[in-house]
Amino acid sequence: KQEVTQIPAALSVPEGENLVLNCSFTDSAIYNLQWFRQDPGKGLTSLLLIQSSQREQTSGRLNASLDKSSGRSTLYIAASQPGDSATYLCALYNNNDMRFGAGTRLTVKP
Amino acid sequence: GAVVSQHPSRVICKSGTSVKIECRSLDFQATTMFWYRQFPKQSLMLMATSNEGSKATYEQGVEKDKFLINHASLTLSTLTVTSAHPEDSSFYICSARVRQHSNQPQHFGDGTRLSIL
Repeated sequence: KQEVTQIPAALSVPEGENLVLNCSFTDSAIYNLQWFRQDPGKGLTSLLLIQSSQREQTSGRLNASLDKSSGRSTLYIAASQPGDSATYLCALYNNNDMRFGAGTRLTVKP
Repeated sequence: GAVVSQHPSRVICKSGTSVKIECRSLDFQATTMFWYRQFPKQSLMLMATSNEGSKATYEQGVEKDKFLINHASLTLSTLTVTSAHPEDSSFYICSARVRQHSNQPQHFGDGTRLSIL
């Protein structure tokens, strides 16, 4: 059964800092990996989707990488802003379902 | 494109009430829909997978008689929490997938906050 771990569980940084969120998984036989943002009490906003054959995806200040051999993915956020404060979830597709990590709660202080 | 609408967004009701939550794919046909539950400060946990025209597949530990799922059309799945109790209070999120292939992304609704008094 796929296990997804996100470290750290919480992170607080001053505005402007670059930061990295980590996601590790136990089963490398995945189809895709997806990073989501969740604001308090809200649903999920998809940020980046990395296909199994890809190694990274970029969107604006966000860059996500995927290394299946080591079972790791990272989400890099450049020049963080207070509006980036949210919980970030990674999720993996394999065997007809999707497994989520517990998330990293990010706070960006002005 | 690929919009999923979930209704209602919030429900507050008394213990013993049955509550129905709807999940609709607005601009695509969803052969498969998923129902997740999220407790405070925890991640999403898959409850069940719903395929149009067939019975839902429930994850281990999820009571199928308590959480009734119907997926009667390619654009609508419903989750009914029967005789809800305070411990059922949670955030329920649905998602929908276009085709029956695991590599197709799921599109998520905005969730339903269920509070049982």
